[in-house]
Amino acid sequence: NAGVTQTPKFQVLKTGQSMTLQCAQDMNHEYMSWYRQDPGMGLRLIHYSVGAGITDQGEVPNGYNVSRSTTEDFPLRLLSAAPSQTSVYFCASSYGQTFQETQYFGPGTRLLVL
Amino acid sequence: SQQGEEDPQALSIQEGENATMNCSYKTSINNLQWYRQNSGRGLVHLILIRSNEREKHSGRLRVTLDTSKKSSSLLITASRAADTASYFCATPPYSGAGSYQLTFGKGTKLSVIP
Repeated sequence: NAGVTQTPKFQVLKTGQSMTLQCAQDMNHEYMSWYRQDPGMGLRLIHYSVGAGITDQGEVPNGYNVSRSTTEDFPLRLLSAAPSQTSVYFCASSYGQTFQETQYFGPGTRLLVL
Repeated sequence: SQQGEEDPQALSIQEGENATMNCSYKTSINNLQWYRQNSGRGLVHLILIRSNEREKHSGRLRVTLDTSKKSSSLLITASRAADTASYFCATPPYSGAGSYQLTFGKGTKLSVIP
């Protein structure tokens, strides 16, 4: 199994540009989520999904959009990039439909917005 | 909002020594999870301890949980240079409202000096 994969590994954007961060898992996990990690802030939840067709907001959802058309994929869209969105983004998945179980993380996408 | 908080923020020890880091949380939990993050990488799950467990071992790792004090500790025995990483505790809140929100602390940065 590849586990949780993320692409790209690194991206530079200009303010106002849009892009999609890709996340895929091959473990048939129902639960998937997106976090951002900033220095001194820990990990903060952006959006999550408890199954195909079901998504909800986390702690810091503004400026981001998600959809879940399949169990495997959970892309994160930046609608109009801002410098405040410079961060490292992690996707995670787990069994079941809650946060109660072990989370499996992807390797991350480092995003720089100029 | 922060549920789990690690202490200390940073810890530097000599190879072969033991490392202890602590986590405090605020509300009732079903379980508490510890993760490791090597520099520039995603988080890796270490141990999940359930609320009815007091101690759990995995190799050189020992985790304790005191629900009366709302605290947990992670002990790494006979540390190695490869243990150099940041360590995070994560607390999924008790089932009910917000049970989809897994909250991470800001982490303890461990440096093991060869």
